[in-house]
Amino acid sequence: GAGVSQSPSNKVTEKGKDVELRCDPISGHTALYWYRQSLGQGLEFLIYFQGNSAPDKSGLPSDRFSAERTGGSVSTLTIQRTQQEDSAVYLCASSFGGGAAYNEQFFGPGTRLTVL
Amino acid sequence: DAKTTQPPSMDCAEGRAANLPCNHSTISGNEYVYWYRQIHSQGPQYIIHGLKNNETNEMASLIITEDRKSSTLILPHATLRDTAVYYCIVTNNDMRFGAGTRLTVKP
Repeated sequence: GAGVSQSPSNKVTEKGKDVELRCDPISGHTALYWYRQSLGQGLEFLIYFQGNSAPDKSGLPSDRFSAERTGGSVSTLTIQRTQQEDSAVYLCASSFGGGAAYNEQFFGPGTRLTVL
Repeated sequence: DAKTTQPPSMDCAEGRAANLPCNHSTISGNEYVYWYRQIHSQGPQYIIHGLKNNETNEMASLIITEDRKSSTLILPHATLRDTAVYYCIVTNNDMRFGAGTRLTVKP
């Protein structure tokens, strides 16, 4: 079946502009995660959605970052007033969400964001 | 914050077993140990996970110490394609990735 998809694959924007990144999780997965990865660095947790529960936003680096998940499926990560330090690969992952025993995450290919 | 400690890098000869250690001394009773790897320019890939028993699948084996304060991921016959960053994660819900171990398999 189809895996996690993300769009766009690449995004180049100017400093100060807003961007929206999209994630389509695997059908039936109730958990969805956003991470970002700067060049040569590890993954940085951003936000986590689990079913209808309030999302865990503890990883969002500033109030310029927000995310929503509509209908328990597609998610959009929005970055307002982008800064050069926002340049990174943004990765989305989904899992069954049935607790830690079934938390295998499947990752999308990522969106490479470049802020000029 | 990541709850694990891993060596930043390791080398392994092709065809030999790669043993990647992970310390998680503050692990709690309901937390699982997950391993992922990330090959250059790709998204992370799930490898294996366990609670307290040793686990084996087609990719690797996971050995968890009796006190659960550390674990070892074993790739029994490493190939050049196993060169990647390997992440050990302790979780009961969300995933917090650390810096991982950069494994280089050499011919």
